[in-house]
Amino acid sequence: SQKIEQNSEALNIQEGKTATLTCNYTNYSPAYLQWYRQDPGRGPVFLLLIRENEKEKRKERLKVTFDTTLKQSLFHITASQPADSATYLCALDIPISGGYNKLIFGAGTRLAVHP
Amino acid sequence: ETGVTQTPRHLVMGMTNKKSLKCEQHLGHNAMYWYKQSAKKPLELMFVYSLEERVENNSVPSRFSPECPNSSHLFLHLHTLQPEDSALYLCASSQGDSDNYEQYFGPGTRLTVT
Repeated sequence: SQKIEQNSEALNIQEGKTATLTCNYTNYSPAYLQWYRQDPGRGPVFLLLIRENEKEKRKERLKVTFDTTLKQSLFHITASQPADSATYLCALDIPISGGYNKLIFGAGTRLAVHP
Repeated sequence: ETGVTQTPRHLVMGMTNKKSLKCEQHLGHNAMYWYKQSAKKPLELMFVYSLEERVENNSVPSRFSPECPNSSHLFLHLHTLQPEDSALYLCASSQGDSDNYEQYFGPGTRLTVT
């Protein structure tokens, strides 16, 4: 069956450290993989998109890797801050008809950064 | 919010009621989506609309009825819901035929079915 797994329900780290979140999937062949941030009671906010032919993508303190052989993406936040505390969602980008796409989401990893 | 707006933000309805959720996007996108987010479960895609035509229906029960009158508006009509339909309903939009596939989400409607 098709599955997306994100590591551990909650990740607690100290301010200033690097947070590393994992997304593993089976039985999908996504063209893209996306990461979103979701705060309680709010909609997800897009962070980064990485294509299947890209190994790594960076944006400010964020870095995403994508290994299509391992079927895994890693999401890193360097120099983490308490304001980074949120749930981070991994989403596989699957093409559908008409050139459009749909997203299949993982359950998310809740990150708590402590001062 | 100026990107994707949703109304109402909170809704309590009985199982025999009929209500509608509204989504409006101000981004000029051509694709719109409905998602359901239940506690402790991943976001579940319900419907995809492209240029007012439904392109995906993810085996959603008929008590949920979507409507897309134009590319900026999306509705979800609800009738005879069950308590297990209580969830956060999220609308999103994207420019589906570009090279940027990110989706922009609204704040959601928190639905409680009593």
